[in-house]
Order: sequence, then structure tokens, then C-alpha cells
Amino acid sequence: GAVVSQHPSWVICKSGTSVKIECRSLDFQATTMFWYRQFPKQSLMLMATSNEGSKATYEQGVEKDKFLINHASLTLSTLTVTSAHPEDSSFYICSARRDSAAFFGQGTRLTVV
Amino acid sequence: GENVEQHPSTLSVQEGDSAVIKCTYSDSASNYFPWYKQELGKRPQLIIDIRSNVGEKKDQRIAVTLNKTAKHFSLHITETQPEDSAVYFCAASGGSNYKLTFGKGTLLTVNP
Repeated sequence: GAVVSQHPSWVICKSGTSVKIECRSLDFQATTMFWYRQFPKQSLMLMATSNEGSKATYEQGVEKDKFLINHASLTLSTLTVTSAHPEDSSFYICSARRDSAAFFGQGTRLTVV
Repeated sequence: GENVEQHPSTLSVQEGDSAVIKCTYSDSASNYFPWYKQELGKRPQLIIDIRSNVGEKKDQRIAVTLNKTAKHFSLHITETQPEDSAVYFCAASGGSNYKLTFGKGTLLTVNP
């Protein structure tokens, strides 16, 4: 299958700081990438659709000013959690689709202290 | 939007038995139905998928069936092994936006 790489795999940050998470498609170009959030023992909740060269599309209830998404190239999308708070602590995971199949990055465990 | 329901939420079987997980979807326009396996702390891994022009697909011990009329699809795992223990998610997507909507997941435990 296709390879999607996410970095970092885990991060601890202080409240009020910002954290950037990168998602790369290593062996294919992805005009669209997706960002999910997953709480323990729960499903993947789509946060936003990242579109190369244009604005991201956010799901209802997701604050676009808090979760900044940039998709500047066909292989890279970034998610920046701004002014992080403890309730933002979660597992964030990206995916990119090749043909119809979706492939996921390793995920990023964010802990805000 | 699409809504995917998945059952059961937990499933415990003995090694060698079969396991069946069922999902229903709401959007008749959905045409792609993948299944993912997620081990604790790891990324979801695609294990099998099916498109709406196919009723059944099999890959070794794993099979998926799709009933478009009833809008439901199922995952079947035969001869289960302890390493099959994980959370399994079904998903559905359709149209041009490629968004996947996931079910809530099934925790499968295979007891040796």
C-alpha cells in the first residue's frame, strides 16, 4: 500500500503554546488529505479536509482558527494546534487517499500540560 | 451526511472460531466500503475493501459482503487467531469528496 508519514509521533507542550504536526505522502501525490482526532477507545472523528493550494474544509464544530491547516504541496499537509489547552490532548491522525483506498499516518499523541 | 452504525461494540471469540462484524450506512450514494484494523496506539491498517458494484470479496481468512439494497455490509473473519485481536472499524464514502465516515469500532478479542 501507499506510505503516509506523520511527524512527530508524540509531543508534550505547555498550555498556550502551538504545536505543528506534519503529514507526508511519501510515494504518491495527494491533492486531498484528511485530519482526524481520536479519543481513547473511540472512533476516528474527521476534523477537516486539507486541499492542496486552497483552504481546508472544516467539519461542523471544529474551530478553524484553532486548528490551522496548510497544504502547500502535493505531498505535505500540516496541522497546527494553536493556543493548546489540556482538552486538546488527543491522538491526531492524518490520511491520504490513493485511488479509493485511504492510508493513514502513524498518528501523533499530543499531551498538553 | 453519511451515518455509519457498527455492531457489536465488543466481540469475544475462541481461537479458531469465526467472527462477524456488521455495519449499516445511511447514504445510498456511498460506493466504497473499507475495513480497518487498529492495534492499540497504532495507525488503522486497511485489511479489505469493497465497492458498490461487487457483492462479496474474499482475501484468505477475511471476507466482506455488501447488500446495497439494505445498505449494510459485513466483515467475516474465519479461523480466528490471537493476533486478530484489535479494534476493527468499518467506513463508507461516496461522491467526489472522498470523505470516509467511520463506524464506532468493534473490539475483537480472540482467546487462545
